[in-house]
Amino acid sequence: DVKVTQSSRYLVKRTGEKVFLECVQDMDHENMFWYRQDPGLGLRLIYFSYDVKMKEKGDIPEGYSVSREKKERFSLILESASTNQTSMYLCASSDLAGGETQYFGPGTRLLVL
Amino acid sequence: SQKIEQNSEALNIQEGKTATLTCNYTNYSPAYLQWYRQDPGRGPVFLLLIRENEKEKRKERLKVTFDTTLKQSLFHITASQPADSATYLCALAPISGGYNKLIFGAGTRLAVHP
Repeated sequence: DVKVTQSSRYLVKRTGEKVFLECVQDMDHENMFWYRQDPGLGLRLIYFSYDVKMKEKGDIPEGYSVSREKKERFSLILESASTNQTSMYLCASSDLAGGETQYFGPGTRLLVL
Repeated sequence: SQKIEQNSEALNIQEGKTATLTCNYTNYSPAYLQWYRQDPGRGPVFLLLIRENEKEKRKERLKVTFDTTLKQSLFHITASQPADSATYLCALAPISGGYNKLIFGAGTRLAVHP
């Protein structure tokens, strides 16, 4: 079974703090994705990575950066958290070869005060 | 503009009936379309994939249809059970997307009542 884990289920941070969200997958997948999910808006892609040290912007990258130093780990960084970044953050991974299916982690619910 | 739309209102049905959820899209050329299930507080889980040259796919009590002329996919759950209650997301992969990028709808919440 594919397992995607995220470092925290719930996080509370203050405006201006630097926030790290970690995601680890155990299936040797090449592709990894970060989404945020807000009511009525669905999942929106922030960044994705198709290989170690490779990254591409998604639809809403502003205010975020990412890091992929190892194949299994993909980190999302909020350089200076703002209240409009309060959201559910979901990480996913997929295989390059049969890669249509995305496997999601449980999500991190972030509240920025 | 490009849009992928699902009915935002919750669908309430009686146990044993067939649930039908709709996904409409505009200004996309999809390579394929997927359906995911999401339970409260959890990440989405993949259910079915249908390609642009396929009309219908089935898996146990689930059936997906894809009409590229109408730009619509229908997702059916037959003999529905209370355990089927969840939010169902459709996700479209544009031909131009690359790297298996998906565009998600906002989801439709299904409630199956005993």
